[in-house]
Amino acid sequence: VIWMTQSPSLLSASTGDRVTISCRMSQGISSYLAWYQQKPGKAPELLIYAASTLQSGVPSRFSGSGSGTDFTLTISCLQSEDFATYYCQQYYSFPQGFGGGTKVEIK
Amino acid sequence: EVQLVESGGVVVQPGGSLRLSCAASGFTFDDYAMHWVRQAPGKGLEWVSLISWDGGSTYYADSVKGRFTISRDNSKNSLYLQMNSLRAEDTALYYCAKDMGDIVVVPAANTHRTYGMDVWGQGTTVTVSS
Repeated sequence: VIWMTQSPSLLSASTGDRVTISCRMSQGISSYLAWYQQKPGKAPELLIYAASTLQSGVPSRFSGSGSGTDFTLTISCLQSEDFATYYCQQYYSFPQGFGGGTKVEIK
Repeated sequence: EVQLVESGGVVVQPGGSLRLSCAASGFTFDDYAMHWVRQAPGKGLEWVSLISWDGGSTYYADSVKGRFTISRDNSKNSLYLQMNSLRAEDTALYYCAKDMGDIVVVPAANTHRTYGMDVWGQGTTVTVSS
């Protein structure tokens, strides 16, 4: 089993801020990592896959980086619609798993 | 329009059984692996199970292994999750999700990977309570 540590669990920020979320694996997963955004009462939506590839239709202020065990999601200029919970997911091996989530709230 | 619609969620007693369904439309269903993911009230996402495009390979989270069975009927564009011996901790919103590909081998690591989940349904709620 691959253990995933996502941090922080809560992030308070203001519109226009640059924010970063970290996801660390207990073992290397190459670049087989995705990031999802979930808003209250809604299903998750794919933002980034293969660690750094932006899903079609996702704004370019979102970016992902990393490989191996350490990964980062960055939102370059936080917009009002970005206040949500974000999850990383490894799809390198079974059982697949999600990080614990990062709630981005208004400061 | 690409769409996944889950159904079958109800209130069930501990020890009971339930089958969830997921109807797919707008894409070639049998080209892709499919997942079930759940979310307990107020909690994060938990990966539950995956099935390959043809149903020939299935994988489960340790928390449901031996109790849940994933299956699919490609002629009906449908995904299923048979849930037996239900426990209170199985109470959750259950999502079906489409993978962006099928299972592939990672030779250097002797493991199997997929591609990430690009389409999600709105979920169906399972409550296990007496």
